[in-house]
Amino acid sequence: AQSVSQHNHHVILSEAASLELGCNYSYGGTVNLFWYVQYPGQHLQLLLKYFSGDPLVKGIKGFEAEFIKSKFSFNLRKPSVQWSDTAEYFCAVKRGGSGTYKYIFGTGTRLKVLA
Amino acid sequence: DAGITQSPRHKVTETGTPVTLRCHQTENHRYMYWYRQDPGHGLRLIHYSYGVKDTDKGEVSDGYSVSRSKTEDFLLTLESATSSQTSVYFCAISDSGTGDYGYTFGSGTRLTVV
Repeated sequence: AQSVSQHNHHVILSEAASLELGCNYSYGGTVNLFWYVQYPGQHLQLLLKYFSGDPLVKGIKGFEAEFIKSKFSFNLRKPSVQWSDTAEYFCAVKRGGSGTYKYIFGTGTRLKVLA
Repeated sequence: DAGITQSPRHKVTETGTPVTLRCHQTENHRYMYWYRQDPGHGLRLIHYSYGVKDTDKGEVSDGYSVSRSKTEDFLLTLESATSSQTSVYFCAISDSGTGDYGYTFGSGTRLTVV
């Protein structure tokens, strides 16, 4: 069965530290990849997405992610985190092509940034 | 987002009682989804809809039913609530059948079954 793994469940960083959150998936075909962020008490919001083309994707708020097909990975990065980045981050994978409506979400990584 | 609202925002109910959660959208999107969010499990798909009266099961559909009689409304019903259904429920919408552009999520309903 398809799966999405986020190995870091909790990450604590100081402001200005660099961030990298891991995401690996198990499906071998064409995929669409997403990162969502959930700020405390809020709903999920789309950070960035990858469909095809340049494997380095830039999103909102200075986040970026790199798709490495050979590693089945889509890691999220930010060079310098801020206190306001404290949130939970979810990776999601959807198989490419028509007729497939469902995403699979990872279990999330809770990021706490210390001021 | 203003285009999708969930009601109620919070609910406490007793074991064995029926509960209906509502998702309402003003975006005229064809696709709607119900997820539950639990610690350590992330988001898991309960049911989804690909049109009026067209619904299908997700990965954790047992104990839940859905209905979609209008494009704008997608109802999730717990026929007989159990404590294991205590969770935060999110509705999501998508204008693409392939979901390529991501979902828009509602603000969630926190349900507690006592």
